[in-house]
Amino acid sequence: NAGVTQTPKFQVLKTGQSMTLQCAQDMNHNSMYWYRQDPGMGLRLIYYSASEGTTDKGEVPNGYNVSRLNKREFSLRLESAAPSQTSVYFCASTLGGLVYEQYFGPGTRLTVT
Amino acid sequence: AQTVTQSQPEMSVQEAETVTLSCTYDTSESDYYLFWYKQPPSRQMILVIRQEAYKQQNATENRFSVNFQKAAKSFSLKISDSQLGDAAMYFCAYRSPFNTNAGKSTFGDGTTLTVKP
Repeated sequence: NAGVTQTPKFQVLKTGQSMTLQCAQDMNHNSMYWYRQDPGMGLRLIYYSASEGTTDKGEVPNGYNVSRLNKREFSLRLESAAPSQTSVYFCASTLGGLVYEQYFGPGTRLTVT
Repeated sequence: AQTVTQSQPEMSVQEAETVTLSCTYDTSESDYYLFWYKQPPSRQMILVIRQEAYKQQNATENRFSVNFQKAAKSFSLKISDSQLGDAAMYFCAYRSPFNTNAGKSTFGDGTTLTVKP
């Protein structure tokens, strides 16, 4: 049982390049989330998927797109990376219903130069 | 929209002493969940304790306890008998109900806790 996994762990991009951050969970959770954490700040919600087949914008969605590929996987895509997207990205999942605990992945540190 | 405020960017405590981290929040929802997470230098987010808003009794987990004041919208974390391993960034988080707001979370900006030997 690996929990929530994220790939890659580290990435350096040049401005304008694109990339996809991958997230997978093996806990049969219904809801999945993408957050970013900037230095000295808390996590801010980028996008979320309340259930398989649905996605919605969070607090800071501009410059990102997501795909809920299946129940296990939720990817985050940067189409044209900008230096302002330099951050640590966390994926999280929750079973839903009355179970509210969120399980987090180890994070991806992304630097855009 | 919900907001979470942690007014103490940094706190320090002597080993074996007690420290309290503050958190206030703002919401118009009547049902919600509150959490404290610990983030060590490894970046991993570790759940410390959670509180359901409909429960009046304060949650406790070993050396960690909360003081939940719903009317005041306050949710402080008390760490007793502080240990060196407690040193980390601590985040207060608010979660909306699933049936009304998809369980979305809002985080405070964190409090860095230093434990002095």
